[in-house]
Amino acid sequence: ETGVTQSPTHLIKTRGQQVTLRCSSQSGHNTVSWYQQALGQGPQFIFQYYREEENGRGNFPPRFSGLQFPNYSSELNVNALELDDSALYLCASSYSTDTQYFGPGTRLTVL
Amino acid sequence: TQLLEQSPQFLSIQEGENLTVYCNSSSVFSSLQWYRQEPGEGPVLLVTVVTGGEVKKLKRLTFQFGDARKDSSLHITAAQPGDTGLYLCAGFSGGGADGLTFGKGTHLIIQP
Repeated sequence: ETGVTQSPTHLIKTRGQQVTLRCSSQSGHNTVSWYQQALGQGPQFIFQYYREEENGRGNFPPRFSGLQFPNYSSELNVNALELDDSALYLCASSYSTDTQYFGPGTRLTVL
Repeated sequence: TQLLEQSPQFLSIQEGENLTVYCNSSSVFSSLQWYRQEPGEGPVLLVTVVTGGEVKKLKRLTFQFGDARKDSSLHITAAQPGDTGLYLCAGFSGGGADGLTFGKGTHLIIQP
């Protein structure tokens, strides 16, 4: 059974740029959630995708958007990057339940 | 807005000692999960507790869900250096589309 994978591992961008992060969900899982974890903090929920549609969103602005594909993989897009967007971005997959399994994360640095 | 308060935030103890980490909220959760996270990696699921009053054991780790499903605790017996890490509790409200609500975590260091 393949676990959750994310790419890239690390990324450096400058303010104002756009970034796309990718996630492959665990085999058999149909739901993907994205979280932002700032240094020293717990993860914060960004949004969740189920059957290719966003079905839940945390307190994040519209410049955070996403996609889920038919194979249940997912993308997180962030436009107009700000310095405060620097964080570890985590993807978690589940099968329509609350037990979520996390990937290793993508470390984004905005300069 | 649901909040989970974890305490203590930092804990450094000697190998062999016992410790307890607490996770408290004013909100009711349908379930609560405990994760452990290493630096630069994603959280790894330790346990999910669902029923009020439930106790689960994982080797030297004992997890308890409060009767009212608003709080939880993690107790480690005879801590070992390998237990060092960030311990996170996360609550699920059961709404399906709200994601997990995480506490800020407890940074645990076990000194040999």
